[in-house]
Amino acid sequence: DGGITQSPKYLFRKEGQNVTLSCEQNLNHDAMYWYRQDPGQGLRLIYYSQIVNDFQKGDIAEGYSVSREKKESFPLTVTSAQKNPTAFYLCATQPKGTGRVAFFGQGTRLTVV
Amino acid sequence: AQSVAQPEDQVNVAEGNPLTVKCTYSVSGNPYLFWYVQYPNRGLQFLLKYITGDNLVKGSYGFEAEFNKSQTSFHLKKPSALVSDSALYFCAVRGPNSGNTGKLIFGQGTTLQVKP
Repeated sequence: DGGITQSPKYLFRKEGQNVTLSCEQNLNHDAMYWYRQDPGQGLRLIYYSQIVNDFQKGDIAEGYSVSREKKESFPLTVTSAQKNPTAFYLCATQPKGTGRVAFFGQGTRLTVV
Repeated sequence: AQSVAQPEDQVNVAEGNPLTVKCTYSVSGNPYLFWYVQYPNRGLQFLLKYITGDNLVKGSYGFEAEFNKSQTSFHLKKPSALVSDSALYFCAVRGPNSGNTGKLIFGQGTTLQVKP
């Protein structure tokens, strides 16, 4: 919310296609995260990045890729290797410091057609 | 391993009555605990957090939560529920061993339904 913009809000993917979800922030936060949300499963971490040009796999990275070329941007690509990509995807940012609070974008709903 | 449990998939309460949404956690060391709320097709909004200090934490929209170390719980409460409180609530924990990654572990969420 606030200074985090996710686009598009809705996205439809055909079988075998790669698609890229955008996440842009103007909060000047160093850390950025991608989560996947499925009903009844909470949020699961896909990838995260603490600084530019560096990122780490989360718990469910298979079938996804990311880049962090700029501090403001952390795009997520859902590749054809992701067998069940239909989900709600949330991008989050976080400042440094003890007790730091994560801020979330409005999400992108991806549907395979 | 760090984990968070929200034992109730759904909580139903009448408007004006007190509400409680339960959360228990498992981490090594002292936890950082958070509550978020999500409205349909929206991102998560921060409600409150416990880092250290007073066990009763007050947050946005009249919500509060009580940290109980012996029971490893962080239940969300509100004295008088509103219909507009109806939403999906997530409890999350960040363990002291998360270092600089800042990774949050989320519970599976609890749907709060407040009926007029």
